[in-house]
Amino acid sequence: KAGVTQTPRYLIKTRGQQVTLSCSPISGHRSVSWYQQTPGQGLQFLFEYFSETQRNKGNFPGRFSGRQFSNSRSEMNVSTLELGDSALYLCASSLAPGLGYEQYFGPGTRLTVT
Amino acid sequence: AQRVTQPEKLLSVFKGAPVELKCNYSYSGSPELFWYVQYSRQRLQLLLRHISRESIKGFTADLNKGETSFHLKKPFAQEEDSAMYYCALSGQAGNQFYFGTGTSLTVIP
Repeated sequence: KAGVTQTPRYLIKTRGQQVTLSCSPISGHRSVSWYQQTPGQGLQFLFEYFSETQRNKGNFPGRFSGRQFSNSRSEMNVSTLELGDSALYLCASSLAPGLGYEQYFGPGTRLTVT
Repeated sequence: AQRVTQPEKLLSVFKGAPVELKCNYSYSGSPELFWYVQYSRQRLQLLLRHISRESIKGFTADLNKGETSFHLKKPFAQEEDSAMYYCALSGQAGNQFYFGTGTSLTVIP
């Protein structure tokens, strides 16, 4: 079974631009979560989607948004990029929400904002 | 507020020595606790969860609600245990996880 895939793997953007990251979950998985990983803050939860609906949202500004499609693929968008948005963005998928279901992480997208 | 604290950024032990990675948490409710591991050049993956009460790769972790801790232990460290370890908690409702900042474990041959 193919694992979680994220595209692109690396991205360089300029302050003020916007960016869209993509996550394809494991086949059959319907829940997708997004995390931001930085050396100073570690992993921080961004949001979780299930059945095209956002179920949970972390403490991030409105510049960070996401969506999920009917095939469970998910995208996250960051508008008006700031230098502090430079991070590794991780996506994780699970069969469904809830603690009985293990999350499987993707390799991440490394975003650099200059 | 929910918080997971891993006080040690770096931890080095000799092969065969016991290892303990510390994790303390604060959560208003009954959390579920997890340990995740990331080996070099690999993806973050679940190591164990407290509700399973199982030992994975020789590691165990006991939830101490009184001390709000979930320390990860292994009696005899192996070189292949060298990795980054993250403690995480989640509420009962769903997949909103709170991660600690991680501890980098190095097992010295």
